[in-house]
Formats: sequence, structure tokens, C-alpha cells
Amino acid sequence: QSVLTQPASVSGSPGQSVTISCTGSRNDIGAYDTVSWYQQYPGKAPRLMIYDVDFRPSGISSRFSGSKSGSTAFLTISGLQAEDEADYFCASYIKSSTLYVFASGTKVTVL
Amino acid sequence: QMQLQESGPGLVKPSQTLSLTCSVSGGSISSGSYYWSWIRQPGGKGLEWLGRVHTTGRPIMYSPSLESRLTISIDSSKNQFSLEMTSVTSTDSAMYYCVRERLGAENWFDPWGQGTLVTVSA
Repeated sequence: QSVLTQPASVSGSPGQSVTISCTGSRNDIGAYDTVSWYQQYPGKAPRLMIYDVDFRPSGISSRFSGSKSGSTAFLTISGLQAEDEADYFCASYIKSSTLYVFASGTKVTVL
Repeated sequence: QMQLQESGPGLVKPSQTLSLTCSVSGGSISSGSYYWSWIRQPGGKGLEWLGRVHTTGRPIMYSPSLESRLTISIDSSKNQFSLEMTSVTSTDSAMYYCVRERLGAENWFDPWGQGTLVTVSA
């Protein structure tokens, strides 16, 4: 089964931008534009932030944006705020299967 | 606003069957073209998608690695869907989430339940 890889942590000062990478393969991220990103506070349910690479659900701040290059997807948080401190993880559909694969997540710290 | 809530035993003995239920509120489980999925996360590890059932009850899809042990069903009259996992072992200890899934023209998981912690131990 495919595994998506994210950095364990990233940090930034308030107002700065941070970008989280999510690296997969030609069988998942590289195959489809189905990457989604989720925010999770400790002890809370995950929240959808980005879907299909770069679409933002209603109610999600425009400070959050997504992109993809080859087999790597990116989540960028602009104008970093204290409330953005959370875990973020990506997911992608796997080619020629019924499976979704997830990354283990990145902890974003606001300095 | 739709909300999902998992329920079930927090402790299951090895070799027994784990049964979890997800109750949906704030909307009908029968509305729209969605899937209703189960996802788990062992402590300190990544998330694992287990399976999904369509709003209509068919199709049902499972993770190939777990397919022989899983049964997912939907009860529209109760606005619930369920997961059964047979022959559990300690490796099945995890936080279990129920989630609404969109698959096809759009692809996402939302909303998620808060999760229920399942421990497999004698």
C-alpha cells in the first residue's frame, strides 16, 4: 500500500507563510487530482481544508491554498495566525484501487 | 450542520468481534450521493482507510488487506451506519473515525466524527 510522506513539523512566525509538502508516487498523487488536506487540533475531529488539490470548501479561509507538482502536493498557509497551530495531513486516492492513502501529518507551530 | 458520532465498546478481547456504530445528526444519511466511511489511526501512526458504503447501501468497498474481516452496513431508518471487524488482535487497537466521503466529481472526507478509542486486550 502506498504511503504519503510529510515533514514531521514546520514552524513560522505570525504573518509569515509556511508550506507543507506531501510526497507520494505516480500511483497516487501523481495519478489523480484527488489530494485533500485536513487540519486537526489535539483531541478534536479532523477538518477538511482543501480538496482536489486546490479547492477550498465553503468557510475555509483564503489563507489556505493547495497545489501540486508531479507526485508532490503542497499546502500553503499565508499570514500565519496563532489559531493555525495544529496538525495537518494529506490524503490521496490510489490509482486502480478503491483505497485512499493518508500521510502521518505535520505539526505546524506558530512561533 | 451535520455531525457524526461514533459509539461502541472501548475494550475488546482478542479474537472477538468489534462492533461500532456511527450516528448521523443534522442531515439525512440517505440524502445526496455520498459514501459513509470508516478510518482508523493507531497510536502514533498514520490514518488507515477501512471501507465505505454508499448512501443507497450499495456498493460497499473494503480495504483489501482487511476485507475478509470487515462488514460495513447502513441503516437509513436510524440514520446510522456500522462497522464490524472480526477476529481482532492488538494491532487493531486504534482511534476509529466515521466520516462522510465524497468520491468522483469531488473527492473529500467531511465531516469527521470525534473518534472512538478501541483497545484490544485480554
